[in-house]
Amino acid sequence: GAGVSQSPSNKVTEKGKDVELRCDPISGHTALYWYRQSLGQGLEFLIYFQGNSAPDKSGLPSDRFSAERTGGSVSTLTIQRTQQEDSAVYLCASSLQGASFGYTFGSGTRLTVV
Amino acid sequence: GDSVTQMEGPVTLSEEAFLTINCTYTATGYPSLFWYVQYPGEGLQLLLKATKADDKGSNKGFEATYRKETTSFHLEKGSVQVSDSAVYFCALSGTSGGYNKLIFGAGTRLAVHP
Repeated sequence: GAGVSQSPSNKVTEKGKDVELRCDPISGHTALYWYRQSLGQGLEFLIYFQGNSAPDKSGLPSDRFSAERTGGSVSTLTIQRTQQEDSAVYLCASSLQGASFGYTFGSGTRLTVV
Repeated sequence: GDSVTQMEGPVTLSEEAFLTINCTYTATGYPSLFWYVQYPGEGLQLLLKATKADDKGSNKGFEATYRKETTSFHLEKGSVQVSDSAVYFCALSGTSGGYNKLIFGAGTRLAVHP
């Protein structure tokens, strides 16, 4: 597609429920990144995909967080047993040539856990 | 590890004032440097970048010069407009956890009043 697409744009969920966040990167971009932006905070790296592999998962905050990527394209970030501290904007970005050339970001998914 | 420090906000200016947002970094090697902008309710957009020392990135009247001797990449604009109100993030392509990724500062909120 023309840009990075994320869905849903907003998600309200009850504490303890599981949620799935979707990212559709720019066609042909092999690198895909997930970041989290909490209220008033900077961007926290979560996970990096190269193709379908995730060589760097170092930012996932707990084992309740997982992500996958299929077909070298769409990625899904899953949060199990959501907690209130998971409330944040989850941003996805993709890149053709890697971090040195910058990323293109999606508009994000705002997750609110009540 | 690699890191970015940028001045705290909010920065409040009147229209047509001069803008400086300070950014300094710590990195091994020779990172690329970026400024991203996030307008209200939107995702991050690349504003400008510089890939080597003494390079000047510029876009939409904004500019920043890659200063290796002072490890800085300060953002400047000669005359701000109300439409420049946004959050500005400084970032570098650094190595963290063994993989190259964008590492962001905490962001600086700019509010421009008529």
